[in-house]
Amino acid sequence: QVQLVQSGAEVKKPGSSVKVSCKASGVTFNSNAFSWVRQAPGQGLEWMGGIIPMFGTASYAQKFQGRVTITADELSTTAYMELSSLKSEDTAVYYCARAGGYHLLLNWLDPWGQGTLVTVSS
Amino acid sequence: DIVLTQTPLSLSVTPGQPASISCKSSQSLLHVDGKTSLYWYLQKPGQSPQLLIYEVSSRFSGVPDRFSGSGSGTDFTLKISRVEAEDVGVYYCMQGIHLPLTFGGGTKVEIK
Repeated sequence: QVQLVQSGAEVKKPGSSVKVSCKASGVTFNSNAFSWVRQAPGQGLEWMGGIIPMFGTASYAQKFQGRVTITADELSTTAYMELSSLKSEDTAVYYCARAGGYHLLLNWLDPWGQGTLVTVSS
Repeated sequence: DIVLTQTPLSLSVTPGQPASISCKSSQSLLHVDGKTSLYWYLQKPGQSPQLLIYEVSSRFSGVPDRFSGSGSGTDFTLKISRVEAEDVGVYYCMQGIHLPLTFGGGTKVEIK
């Protein structure tokens, strides 16, 4: 059974950075891509970017370009999402999700991690 | 970016009655391989989203057959034949043909 377990909630100051981890189990890590999706309080789902561990390549939504870095460690079967220059508007639940294949496109997202609440407040 | 427009925004349904959600895309989601990259998710209260339907009409593993998806090109529909109490939550469509992946705004389904 594939499972994604994310790191715990974070409280950050504006201007700082946060790094969220997503440990995958029950899956051949390099056979799948992983996406990161965020959800602001009471809002919908927003794709931030993703990574293809097999190729080590990451793609990002233009909105987050320059502020987000997505990486993956094959040895620990863990994906990471780091967001810098945090603003109050970045307060959200951040989810990782496995793609149903090794590419970000043309694949479903399942399962999803349990979500990590990041609160940005002075 | 591809824009997905979901309607209605919310739905209040009597148990046992049907429900239907529309998702319209700003571009065709038909890939050259013949597959259409449109997915449906349900986010139950306090939970992470879960996959219901992939490639327009294929039910994911364990999804009850009261859920069905249809459509082509730019117009898609999710139908619940007989709504049950456990179906409450927010339903999202998602396209996977172009980056960035994008989601519809969501449709909240509640029970009357």
